[in-house]
Amino acid sequence: GENVEQHPSTLSVQEGDSAVIKCTYSDSASNYFPWYKQELGKRPQLIIDIRSNVGEKKDQRIAVTLNKTAKHFSLHITETQPEDSAVYFCAASGGSNYKLTFGKGTLLTVNP
Amino acid sequence: EAGVAQSPRYKIIEKRQSVAFWCNPISGHATLYWYQQILGQGPKLLIQFQNNGVVDDSQLPKDRFSAERLKGVDSTLKIQPAKLEDSAVYLCASSLASGILETQYFGPGTRLLVL
Repeated sequence: GENVEQHPSTLSVQEGDSAVIKCTYSDSASNYFPWYKQELGKRPQLIIDIRSNVGEKKDQRIAVTLNKTAKHFSLHITETQPEDSAVYFCAASGGSNYKLTFGKGTLLTVNP
Repeated sequence: EAGVAQSPRYKIIEKRQSVAFWCNPISGHATLYWYQQILGQGPKLLIQFQNNGVVDDSQLPKDRFSAERLKGVDSTLKIQPAKLEDSAVYLCASSLASGILETQYFGPGTRLLVL
């Protein structure tokens, strides 16, 4: 089955700096890669996703890049703000039932 | 639109007891998922329904876990008997269908503590 590795497990940045979280996946058939943000005690919420037919997608301060050859994808957050502090999960989906496999998460802390 | 609803939000039981969780997906969503999220880890899919049929239950510990979605809307997940290692947040999610273009929307989760 699919295996998703996510790094780093914790990331601390100063407000205004950029943050990058990286994920690798094992199943070359995976073709959908969402990123979820989960604040403490709350539900995961989709912040951006990318499909295998594109290499990059942006939404304001958030961008995701995908390298299908290397089987890795990354989340980039620019001009970080304290409200960006949360756990971020990457996931990969593919196969006949499009099951999502999640990484272990990255705890992002943005210091004011 | 209303989101995915789950109840209860918290549950504390002793090992070997049974427990049940309830989920009401977003109206019109055909696909429903149950995930287990252990502290410090990402959600792990337990079971996926398409309407009232099971699409994937390969990671459901069937000796103690069961789930149903009888009318293709609400779903219940049951654990009987519970073990200490079942302590986790149980998340329900739904999507319009089970294709790759469909975003999964999560409920608030039920936090289970087994003592």
